[in-house]
Amino acid sequence: GENVGLHLPTLSVQEGDNSIINCAYSNSASDYFIWYKQESGKGPQFIIDIRSNMDKRQGQRVTVLLNKTVKHLSLQIAATQPGDSAVYFCAEIGDNYGQNFVFGPGTRLSVLP
Amino acid sequence: NAGVTQTPKFQVLKTGQSMTLQCAQDMNHEYMSWYRQDPGMGLRLIHYSVGAGITDQGEVPNGYNVSRSTTEDFPLRLLSAAPSQTSVYFCASRPTRNSGNTIYFGEGSWLTVV
Repeated sequence: GENVGLHLPTLSVQEGDNSIINCAYSNSASDYFIWYKQESGKGPQFIIDIRSNMDKRQGQRVTVLLNKTVKHLSLQIAATQPGDSAVYFCAEIGDNYGQNFVFGPGTRLSVLP
Repeated sequence: NAGVTQTPKFQVLKTGQSMTLQCAQDMNHEYMSWYRQDPGMGLRLIHYSVGAGITDQGEVPNGYNVSRSTTEDFPLRLLSAAPSQTSVYFCASRPTRNSGNTIYFGEGSWLTVV
């Protein structure tokens, strides 16, 4: 893959505020998307997923929005807490066989006290 | 339920040495894969397998070999380590090779090649 930069985009939010993390995906044929959270020194953990026949899905304190027209995915976190500080990745099914995921470079979320 | 288990957690190798990163899952998942994660970059697929006896290359396969003799295990081999292989490696699995199934990750293996 191409080098998209050595430094992750960083989003800093105040504790209690809402966070919005954005992701652009590449394959217009992708039909399944996932958001992952990765804390320091750990593996990625599933947060929420969405299929291409939906444009919004809600979980506990999280909402994923899908805009297929502009190939854009966003993750909204309500009432952001210190424990939400992590790197967040979006992932799409990146091949036409529906086998392998392609991951975005990630966004670092820092929650300020 | 252990999920996806990787060993070792940390390893330092000298250039030219070989080693194997072990991965095991106890969820009877058909699909397993190895990713590497480098600073500022997303996870990049090295190799994957859609079932025992079947493996295929991902985005960055050079310098790595894999095998899948059982459903549970998917080891990643570095035959002659290079400094460019310094990275964090994640093994992952999911129930089937079809889309619509969440992929589960191990805790990662930190590899440094000096």
